[in-house]
Amino acid sequence: KQEVTQIPAALSVPEGENLVLNCSFTDSAIYNLQWFRQDPGKGLTSLLLIQSSQREQTSGRLNASLDKSSGRSTLYIAASQPGDSATYLCAVLNSGTYKYIFGTGTRLKVLA
Amino acid sequence: KAGVTQTPRYLIKTRGQQVTLSCSPISGHRSVSWYQQTPGQGLQFLFEYFSETQRNKGNFPGRFSGRQFSNSRSEMNVSTLELGDSALYLCASSLEGTGETQYFGPGTRLTVL
Repeated sequence: KQEVTQIPAALSVPEGENLVLNCSFTDSAIYNLQWFRQDPGKGLTSLLLIQSSQREQTSGRLNASLDKSSGRSTLYIAASQPGDSATYLCAVLNSGTYKYIFGTGTRLKVLA
Repeated sequence: KAGVTQTPRYLIKTRGQQVTLSCSPISGHRSVSWYQQTPGQGLQFLFEYFSETQRNKGNFPGRFSGRQFSNSRSEMNVSTLELGDSALYLCASSLEGTGETQYFGPGTRLTVL
């Protein structure tokens, strides 16, 4: 059974810092992995989608990497801003079942 | 393009009642997925509809059901509500479904008293 873990559960950093959020999964048979952000009481916004054959994806200040063999993905946020404060979720799409399994999220607070 | 819309945004029901939630996907998107989000269990997949057919489902009891109409709009129904059904219900749409970027709506906050 696929399990997705995100560490740390919460993170507080000063503005301008570069930071890394971690996501690990137990079953490497995945179709893709997505990173989302969720603002309080709101829906999810897709940030980056990495196909299983890819190693990384970049969008602006965000870079996500995927190491399928070790069951890990990282989301790198450069030069963090207060507007980056949100909960970040990763989700893996299992091959075969084609169901997304979500991690529990990392709650990020960027202090001005 | 308008985003994914969900109605209503908030609902309060009592145990034993039933509820219907609605989701309108982004124009042109044919896949709609539903998720339940609770503090204890996190985000869990309920089911996915594509071209009016349920294509995939999660591990939820039969009280949870859904359907999709020819215009891709989807509804989700929960019968015989329990306190544990209190959650944020999110729907997401994508063009064809599997493996694509999902676009989420703002969710419906259901409170069961």
